[in-house]
Amino acid sequence: EAAVTQSPRNKVTVTGGNVTLSCRQTNSHNYMYWYRQDTGHGLRLIHYSYGAGNLQIGDVPDGYKATRTTQEDFFLLLELASPSQTSLYFCASSDRGSDYTFGSGTRLLVI
Amino acid sequence: AQKVTQTQTSISVVEKTTVTMDCVYETRDSSYFLFWYKQTASGEIVFLIRQDSYKKENATVGHYSLNFQKPKSSIGLIITATQIEDSAVYFCAMRENSNNRIFFGDGTQLVVKP
Repeated sequence: EAAVTQSPRNKVTVTGGNVTLSCRQTNSHNYMYWYRQDTGHGLRLIHYSYGAGNLQIGDVPDGYKATRTTQEDFFLLLELASPSQTSLYFCASSDRGSDYTFGSGTRLLVI
Repeated sequence: AQKVTQTQTSISVVEKTTVTMDCVYETRDSSYFLFWYKQTASGEIVFLIRQDSYKKENATVGHYSLNFQKPKSSIGLIITATQIEDSAVYFCAMRENSNNRIFFGDGTQLVVKP
């Protein structure tokens, strides 16, 4: 069954630490997205990609890098994590014009 | 500018009744797609139903249906015969045909009581 798999499910890191969130999709979708979800803000787009090697900036990109290494894999990098990046992160994939398939989310705590 | 607006933060209904959740959107595209997603208590987000802007007939899937009022830029979600397990946060979303990102509303919390 086509799916979007995120890892880890939960992560705790210290302020200033390095964090990599991973996302793999088996949907053969071209488009992949990283969102963060915070109370009162809904889902906010961080970065997205149209295909391997492509990266587009979303609405809240500051403090985040992303890399799409293959059609299947999209990574979100926090190189100097801050407490403001404590959030629930979702990865999603889609084809052009279609709805999103979401991963199960990664809960990140920066202490 | 907010492109998708859900004004209802929270709704509470009694089981087996019908509920409508409101959503208005903003776009200059003549072609666009509207979606509703459900986020369960576990955090999982699932796609529920979709309306393409060029279709006049309201979409229906199971006990979910849409009230698409294009002149008002409105896409309401109607859930009939609500069940306890319908309790969740519901997100309205829009994708413009000119790009491939979806804009989400802030969500409406639905509580279905026995």
